[in-house]
Amino acid sequence: AQKVTQAQTEISVVEKEDVTLDCVYETRDTTYYLFWYKQPPSGELVFLIRRNSFDEQNEISGRYSWNFQKSTSSFNFTITASQVVDSAVYFCALSVSKSGYGQNFVFGPGTRLSVLP
Amino acid sequence: DSGVTQTPKHLITATGQRVTLRCSPRSGDLSVYWYQQSLDQGLQFLIQYYNGEERAKGNILERFSAQQFPDLHSELNLSSLELGDSALYFCASSVWAGGPQETQYFGPGTRLLVL
Repeated sequence: AQKVTQAQTEISVVEKEDVTLDCVYETRDTTYYLFWYKQPPSGELVFLIRRNSFDEQNEISGRYSWNFQKSTSSFNFTITASQVVDSAVYFCALSVSKSGYGQNFVFGPGTRLSVLP
Repeated sequence: DSGVTQTPKHLITATGQRVTLRCSPRSGDLSVYWYQQSLDQGLQFLIQYYNGEERAKGNILERFSAQQFPDLHSELNLSSLELGDSALYFCASSVWAGGPQETQYFGPGTRLLVL
């Protein structure tokens, strides 16, 4: 069975601080995908990144960066120089591909990030 | 605006009733995903369709069913509703069924309240 743990329920930082959101996953499958999603106070869901299990290269997109480490089953998300607009609930998710066509997702409970001005 | 539309935005109904939620994917997207978000269960994946065919099934109850039509819009049918079905239902779309650089685009959600 698959499982995603986000141990940090809530994080509060002051603007311009760097913050890392932790994500630990469990799966016995060798092929899987990891995701991060953002849900701002307005309620919509925003896809941030998708990473497959064979690509451990870290990714940077502007102020966002992701660190994927298979050895520790972690896929952590760092926001550099946080801004008030980064305040949201962030979800980490794991997907196992079914026969190469479908994806079955498991979500973590989310981390609520508050960035204070 | 993600390009994914969901109707209705809000729905209030009574226990035992049946409702249909509709999702129109972005133009050109072949895959549709349905998710449920509730206070009790958090975010849960329900089901995925790709070009009219079911591709993956998650924690979808037997009282729930979905389909994707030839024009690629999708409907999620919820029947014999219970109080615990009150939740925000999101759909998302993507071009394929899980390509390497694929992005998912989410609709604004349908908020269902069962009284």
